[in-house]
Amino acid sequence: GAVVSQHPSRVICKSGTSVKIECRSLDFQATTMFWYRQFPKQSLMLMATSNEGSKATYEQGVEKDKFLINHASLTLSTLTVTSAHPEDSSFYICSARGQGTSPLHFGNGTRLTVT
Amino acid sequence: QKEVEQNSGPLSVPEGAIASLNCTYSDRGSQSFFWYRQYSGKSPELIMFIYSNGDKEDGRFTAQLNKASQYVSLLIRDSQPSDSATYLCAVRSGNTPLVFGKGTRLSVIA
Repeated sequence: GAVVSQHPSRVICKSGTSVKIECRSLDFQATTMFWYRQFPKQSLMLMATSNEGSKATYEQGVEKDKFLINHASLTLSTLTVTSAHPEDSSFYICSARGQGTSPLHFGNGTRLTVT
Repeated sequence: QKEVEQNSGPLSVPEGAIASLNCTYSDRGSQSFFWYRQYSGKSPELIMFIYSNGDKEDGRFTAQLNKASQYVSLLIRDSQPSDSATYLCAVRSGNTPLVFGKGTRLSVIA
């Protein structure tokens, strides 16, 4: 089945630093990748949609200058949390989809803790 | 605004019973329907998807879709304690992002 690899799985950083999270589709070409955030006991919240080679589309309320998304190839998207603050501590999950109506597959998630 | 509604639960069923998880959606143009399972602290895992009205079976899982009633369900037969998780219903129309429900927490009691 389709595999999406996300790295790192866990990161602890100090307030004010930046963190980069990578998301790779291992056995298919992901024309579209999505980044979600999930706080404890809350539902998945879509942050942004990225299509290979074009700018990401951010959901309302998500700061594009704080959450930088790059989707430079059909197998790799990155999310950089810039100048992280404790309130950015959350579970970040990427997902990828091939063409057409193919299902969405999720990476294993990155638990970010900002101290 | 497109909405996907699920009962948050918890839904408790005894081991071996059938668990029935329900989901309604507001967008009549929805074309693709998905069920994901999410264990605590983990990312969602795709269980089933269904595109056409009727039933779709895969092992112990059956997805049911009724587009006229805007209703999709997931049945889990012979429920096991390992099925205890949060089940997310997700709906998509065309090429738009998935819209997720808030999930139903299932507890299978041994």
